[in-house]
Amino acid sequence: DADVTQTPRNRITKTGKRIMLECSQTKGHDRMYWYRQDPGLGLRLIYYSFDVKDINKGEISDGYSVSRQAQAKFSLSLESAIPNQTALYFCATSDSVTDTQYFGPGTRLTVL
Amino acid sequence: AQSVTQLDSQVPVFEEAPVELRCNYSSSVSVYLFWYVQYPNQGLQLLLKYLSGSTLVKGINGFEAEFNKSQTSFHLRKPSVHISDTAEYFCAVRPGGGADGLTFGKGTHLIIQP
Repeated sequence: DADVTQTPRNRITKTGKRIMLECSQTKGHDRMYWYRQDPGLGLRLIYYSFDVKDINKGEISDGYSVSRQAQAKFSLSLESAIPNQTALYFCATSDSVTDTQYFGPGTRLTVL
Repeated sequence: AQSVTQLDSQVPVFEEAPVELRCNYSSSVSVYLFWYVQYPNQGLQLLLKYLSGSTLVKGINGFEAEFNKSQTSFHLRKPSVHISDTAEYFCAVRPGGGADGLTFGKGTHLIIQP
């Protein structure tokens, strides 16, 4: 079984809809992250969390919100989706021992 | 704040030839450096990382990278590439000792020609 899972893997939605992307991990890591990938732009950090009581904004948090429901779960929400939020979204986890981020398989979101 | 520049968006190389993918970074503090690989339709996989110690870092699949503090570079090399190395390669940086997210370069598409 994969250590970091994301659901759904693909989603097509319409402008103005509320969307939630979910991330779960079985690695036991405290730190979790959300990134978006756009062609030619690399990955950019949206939000990150050091534990269930700690949420931090990243480089491009506008238009997004997150919820850390438990150590193993970190959800990303788009309150009112817009077309320029069409992208590939990645969740990642890390710990202080390896100082390495491990990525999920990604969610491809299309906003029409 | 940090930034990462990957100087080549695309690098074509013949199979079994050597390759170097260039990465330069900018930061006012000490940094940790990473190279990730993304195969088509997949997530990111760590190739190698530099946290401290020896400036020559060896990773998976025969890749290595050298940290050069004076030139603020962390170039990725492989002496002989294989067709299976075709992928997108990302250089990333974050402040040393912290737990912030990574700052990524825009990526280099490595194309292996038979």
